Amino acid sequence: GESVGLHLPTLSVQEGDNSIINCAYSNSASDYFIWYKQESGKGPQFIIDIRSNMDKRQGQRVTVLLNKTVKHLSLQIAATQPGDSAVYFCAWGVGYIPTFGRGTSLIVHP
Amino acid sequence: NAGVTQTPKFRVLKTGQSMTLLCAQDMNHEYMYWYRQDPGMGLRLIHYSVGEGTTAKGEVPDGYNVSRLKKQNFLLGLESAAPSQTSVYFCASSYNWGNEQFFGPGTRLTVL
Repeated sequence: GESVGLHLPTLSVQEGDNSIINCAYSNSASDYFIWYKQESGKGPQFIIDIRSNMDKRQGQRVTVLLNKTVKHLSLQIAATQPGDSAVYFCAWGVGYIPTFGRGTSLIVHP
Repeated sequence: NAGVTQTPKFRVLKTGQSMTLLCAQDMNHEYMYWYRQDPGMGLRLIHYSVGEGTTAKGEVPDGYNVSRLKKQNFLLGLESAAPSQTSVYFCASSYNWGNEQFFGPGTRLTVL
């Protein structure tokens, strides 16, 4: 719930701005990458994923960019809305077990 | 479809007590996972299962046991609860490894 956001990196934006959430992953052998959104008091929810043979993938209002050279993943949210306020996690993996990042708390001000 | 459901939603235990958390999914997924989430931390994998009758240890398995007797259910047991097991527990399922995981609503457990 709300305790998920304690001590996490925080990004504050105004409604309508574009948001960029970053993630550094540790395993260079990872072949899948997933972004999840977790609202207060709920379980994580899938947003978008990307495979290691791609460097960009777009969804509805979201874009994921993958830079394997520096092991970096980003999530771009266009025209951020108050309903986008949540904690965002990246996950990466090879095989059965994904690894989750600590998360970033996104706060959208109306 | 209900997706992934978890029972109970909340529980308070005393040190040394035991309990079982139940996870059920109606999506016919092969893969199921149990995670714990602590404040300011990402999800940490406790145990997982790649199919009915199989289980495997994750990152933090000590103090927990699991069973997957039916494909749709994944049980997490605490035999002797400790305060360090106070956490929010999430169950998840996926069609295949590397695919998105569908998460339940979580169980908030407090061990006194």
